[in-house]
Amino acid sequence: DAGVIQSPRHEVTEMGQEVTLRCKPISGHDYLFWYRQTMMRGLELLIYFNNNVPIDDSGMPEDRFSAKMPNASFSTLKIQPSEPRDSAVYFCASSFALWTPLHFGNGTRLTVT
Amino acid sequence: GQQVMQIPQYQHVQEGEDFTTYCNSSTTLSNIQWYKQRPGGHPVFLIQLVKSGEVKKQKRLTFQFGEAKKNSSLHITATQTTDVGTYFCAGGSNDMRFGAGTRLTVKP
Repeated sequence: DAGVIQSPRHEVTEMGQEVTLRCKPISGHDYLFWYRQTMMRGLELLIYFNNNVPIDDSGMPEDRFSAKMPNASFSTLKIQPSEPRDSAVYFCASSFALWTPLHFGNGTRLTVT
Repeated sequence: GQQVMQIPQYQHVQEGEDFTTYCNSSTTLSNIQWYKQRPGGHPVFLIQLVKSGEVKKQKRLTFQFGEAKKNSSLHITATQTTDVGTYFCAGGSNDMRFGAGTRLTVKP
């Protein structure tokens, strides 16, 4: 299995631009999580899906952030417009069920200038 | 909201010394998981504890889950340079939230 695949690995953009992060979970995993990691705030849970349905998006910082999962093999996290404080590493993770181990992708390092 | 607190934030040890990180929750956890993240890498699953008072071992690593299922610990015996990284606990009642992590550095 290829594991969780995220793209791009690195993204550098200017403030105000739209950013789209992509994730392909492990086949057969019913849960997909988006996390954001910064030195100041650690690993924050942004949103998670079960069978493509968003279950809890209380961690999404504000309306500039949105996430979708149109099918079982693809999810996106979009930031529009982006701001410098959004700079972080964004991880996608998937799991077979809610309490089974999370498998993380390699992350997307976002820099907003 | 639910929080998982982890201490210490940093730990620097001499190679061969022991290391322990602690995780505490204000609410009862359904289970707790431990992850290791190497510098520049992503979190990698180590182990899951489910039962009250459970103890599991992986070579030099010992994991414990408290009787009340509100706290947990990870102990490494005789640290090696390969143990360097950040260790996270993660748990929840309805989701999977991570502690702040303990960053371990090991001096050869």
